[in-house]
Order: sequence, then structure tokens, then C-alpha cells
Amino acid sequence: NAGVTQTPKFRILKIGQSMTLQCAQDMNHNYMYWYRQDPGMGLKLIYYSVGAGITDKGEVPNGYNVSRSTTEDFPLRLELAAPSQTSVYFCASNSAGTGVTGELFFGEGSRLTVL
Amino acid sequence: AQSVTQLGSHVSVSEGALVLLRCNYSSSVPPYLFWYVQYPNQGLQLLLKYTTGATLVKGINGFEAEFKKSETSFHLTKPSAHMSDAAEYFCAVRPKTSYDKVIFGPGTSLSVIP
Repeated sequence: NAGVTQTPKFRILKIGQSMTLQCAQDMNHNYMYWYRQDPGMGLKLIYYSVGAGITDKGEVPNGYNVSRSTTEDFPLRLELAAPSQTSVYFCASNSAGTGVTGELFFGEGSRLTVL
Repeated sequence: AQSVTQLGSHVSVSEGALVLLRCNYSSSVPPYLFWYVQYPNQGLQLLLKYTTGATLVKGINGFEAEFKKSETSFHLTKPSAHMSDAAEYFCAVRPKTSYDKVIFGPGTSLSVIP
């Protein structure tokens, strides 16, 4: 069972570079999310999607973009990387709807360093 | 808006001692309640969840949590700590009445002292 798969696991970027973090899930979940986790700061929601073609901002969307062309994939794009974007990024997914508990399934994370 | 508080950002226990991690939520209607665990350099995984019915919920690795509506709490316990329990623990909620995003608490880091 693959669940939620994130790539790459590690990446070092120079200031101003761009990159895409990939996320794929094979559980047919309609909702997908991107979080960032900084030391001692818990999880902060960057963007989320309620289905293919629909995305919305979370708490900390600045400097990021997302797209959702299929149910399975939810890539996160970093444009003009800045040191403040050094973090661990987690992709997650769940099913949502009335009567559904909606527990999240997480990927293993992508550790990004911007120098 | 719903919120989740976890008392104590760091908790240390001796191996074999009781583990108690506290979680309180703010909501007039009891939500779905979750505990997630994050081991070092890994993603979060579901430890246990409360949906409805029996208020004492058992999870993986010997953990359990009790939903107390009157106290708006969902504290996590384990009778005897093991070294492998050292991890970050997150309490989370999601409203039952309508779909909304899962709200996470700030997390509690558990250390187990040999």
C-alpha cells in the first residue's frame, strides 16, 4: 500500500531558485493538503484542495502555488525560494463529507533547505 | 473558530512510568477527535480517534484516550512508557456537523528517560 507518496525527500535550493514538490495518493481521497512544519511550531496549512481543479489557501500561502489536475496528484510549487521557506513539508489526504471522520493520511515529508 | 490546546510542549517520563498527554478543544458540539504520533524524521500517523459511542478509545502501541465532554478534553495515556514512545504527539479535531479542515494542536514532545 503506497498511501501518500512525496518526492523528493531532501532538497537544497539556492535563494531565488524554483522547484516543485510532488505528492501523489492512491486512496481516491477527494481532499489533499500541504503543510509545513518548523521546529517547535507545529503544522501550518499552506494550501488545500477539495477535488480536481479546486484549490484554496491555507494559513501561510505566500511564496507557494499549487494545482490539482487529477484526483491523485497535488504538486506544490515554490517560486523564488527564500531562506524562510526552509522547512519540512508534508502532504496529506483524506476523504471528507457528512458522517466521514476524515482522518488524515500523511506522506513521509520533504526536507527543504534554502541557502 | 475551533481550537486545540495541548498543555506542555515537552513532557519527560521515566521508562515504565505513566504517560499522560493533555488535550483540550474549544467547541460547543463535540467534534471528531484524533491523536497523531510523529517519530523522528517521519510523517504523522494516526494513533487513535474518537467518533461516537464509547468514550474510552484504544489505539496502537498500548495508548488510549478518554473523551470527556464536560471537560472538553481528550487526554492520551499509556500505563507504562517505553523508550520507543519518544516522539511528537499531536491532538487534532474536526467538526462533525459540517465538513471543515482538521485543526491541529501545537504538539507535545515526549521524552522517555531510561
